[in-house]
Amino acid sequence: AQTVTQSQPEMSVQEAETVTLSCTYDTSENNYYLFWYKQPPSRQMILVIRQEAYKQQNATENRFSVNFQKAAKSFSLKISDSQLGDTAMYFCAFMKLRAQKLVFGQGTRLTINP
Amino acid sequence: GAVVSQHPSWVICKSGTSVKIECRSLDFQATTMFWYRQFPKQSLMLMATSNEGSKATYEQGVEKDKFLINHASLTLSTLTVTSAHPEDSSFYICSAPTRGWTEAFFGQGTRLTVV
Repeated sequence: AQTVTQSQPEMSVQEAETVTLSCTYDTSENNYYLFWYKQPPSRQMILVIRQEAYKQQNATENRFSVNFQKAAKSFSLKISDSQLGDTAMYFCAFMKLRAQKLVFGQGTRLTINP
Repeated sequence: GAVVSQHPSWVICKSGTSVKIECRSLDFQATTMFWYRQFPKQSLMLMATSNEGSKATYEQGVEKDKFLINHASLTLSTLTVTSAHPEDSSFYICSAPTRGWTEAFFGQGTRLTVV
């Protein structure tokens, strides 16, 4: 079975700083997807970024980028120029190819301070 | 982007009653939907996979008779919490995959409180 571990329960940074959230996972699969989801106080799950395991290039979405290390089974999220609206719970998630079932990490509560 | 609508957003019910939660895919068809449960300050745990036209697949430890899932159409899945008890109070979220099965879209969630 797949497991996802987020070792940072809480993080806090000042606005405009850069912050990196950690995620490690365990799987015997070779092809899969990894995701970072954001859950603001509204509790709506919002996709931040997605990475296909077969792609070596790290995914980037504006201020959000990942550092995907397949051999190390590590998938960290970097948020640059952090904004107050980035305050939320962030979940790392794993999905087997075509399975659509997501396995979530424990989450990291990120607070951006003004 | 694809939209998944969940209703109601919140519900309070008396212990022993049943509550139905709906999950609709508004602009696409979803033969499969997923139901998650989230306790306060915790992660999402998959409860079951809802399959259109067939029985749902439940995760280990989830009571099938308590959490009834029906997926009668390509755009609607329902979760019924039967004979609800206070320990069933939680946040329930549904999701549906995109056509290419590369991403999941989530409903807004339902906060259930059993008193």
